[in-house]
Amino acid sequence: GAVVSQHPSWVICKSGTSVKIECRSLDFQATTMFWYRQFPKQSLMLMATSNEGSKATYEQGVEKDKFLINHASLTLSTLTVTSAHPEDSSFYICSALRGDTEAFFGQGTRLTVV
Amino acid sequence: GDSVTQMEGPVTLSEEAFLTINCTYTATGYPSLFWYVQYPGEGLQLLLKATKADDKGSNKGFEATYRKETTSFHLEKGSVQVSDSAVYFCARVKAAGNKLTFGGGTRVLVKP
Repeated sequence: GAVVSQHPSWVICKSGTSVKIECRSLDFQATTMFWYRQFPKQSLMLMATSNEGSKATYEQGVEKDKFLINHASLTLSTLTVTSAHPEDSSFYICSALRGDTEAFFGQGTRLTVV
Repeated sequence: GDSVTQMEGPVTLSEEAFLTINCTYTATGYPSLFWYVQYPGEGLQLLLKATKADDKGSNKGFEATYRKETTSFHLEKGSVQVSDSAVYFCARVKAAGNKLTFGGGTRVLVKP
């Protein structure tokens, strides 16, 4: 199957700093990528839809200035958590859309803000 | 709106037992349906899918049939293994390029 690589797989940062997470589709082009957040023992919550060459579409309640998304190429989307705080600690997962409906997921990034 | 409801876990089974995880969806449009599996510490992997009514998706011994009349997509496996211990998510996508809507996930623990 197609491969989506997410980096880093885990990161610890100090409160107030920013963290960038990368999502790459390694063997296909993805005009659309999605960013999810997963709390412990809970389902995935869609944060935003990342569209190559245009602004991301954020879900209701997600702060676009806090979670900056850039989709500069057909194989790379980045999520930057700005001025991170402990409540931002979570498991972040990206997915890339191949074709119309085939979504492939990255392995996730565990963010811990101390 | 679109939603997916699946049975809450955790589901604890012995090896070789029969597994069923119920999943129902709202009947708006003609969605494609999916089951994803998440092993500990990992991202989601597509387990199987079905794109239209009466389709049966199957993979690794798991099966699910798209039932339009009951708006269901229940996941089954006849004989589970310890390695099947994971969280299973039912999901739907409504149309081309649209986003996935996930159920709440069901944690399955298979004991030897």
